[in-house]
Amino acid sequence: DAKTTQPPSMDCAEGRAANLPCNHSTISGNEYVYWYRQIHSQGPQYIIHGLKNNETNEMASLIITEDRKSSTLILPHATLRDTAVYYCIVSARSGNTPLVFGKGTRLSVIA
Amino acid sequence: DSGVTQTPKHLITATGQRVTLRCSPRSGDLSVYWYQQSLDQGLQFLIQYYNGEERAKGNILERFSAQQFPDLHSELNLSSLELGDSALYFCASSARGLLKGEKLFFGSGTQLSVL
Repeated sequence: DAKTTQPPSMDCAEGRAANLPCNHSTISGNEYVYWYRQIHSQGPQYIIHGLKNNETNEMASLIITEDRKSSTLILPHATLRDTAVYYCIVSARSGNTPLVFGKGTRLSVIA
Repeated sequence: DSGVTQTPKHLITATGQRVTLRCSPRSGDLSVYWYQQSLDQGLQFLIQYYNGEERAKGNILERFSAQQFPDLHSELNLSSLELGDSALYFCASSARGLLKGEKLFFGSGTQLSVL
């Protein structure tokens, strides 16, 4: 079973920041937080991941709370093409543990 | 383009039949994963191979089997097909098996329709 909790859906105005929350209160010290998204029926796409520190790349920023029990994915300037299901996943860093996808958050970016 | 290639893109078959889905991982990736996505079940992990050996097993039915060949491509065999097997089947690959925060790259999937 997925070890994360996400809101089922969110709306965001085009051009505004989209902040997607994720609760992972049972995360252990050796587990990463991953974010993936799936646009319509395409294959899921990697966005970002982190262990303790906040991370930023060309797609998004990941803010992890100090106790690591929750995180927020930030899309700084959402576009219509960011409409997708966003999955927050925790996974052990030791490898050979497959990523378990929950139901994710369906983000709708509105013009 | 993720670099993971899946064929065929679409497959229509009848109940009771057997089909084979094929996946070529990204160049250099040793680990291959299969996922099934149906409308009511979401994205479900089926099985993982690493360098030809099975490494992890999820909710894969006994009617389903998979293997990874020496050239690292993988095949998922589905037999005695039922209507409920209709789904999107995704293959994904990673370099060594998600060690230390590796990324998982997904193919574009095979849409299986069992009539």
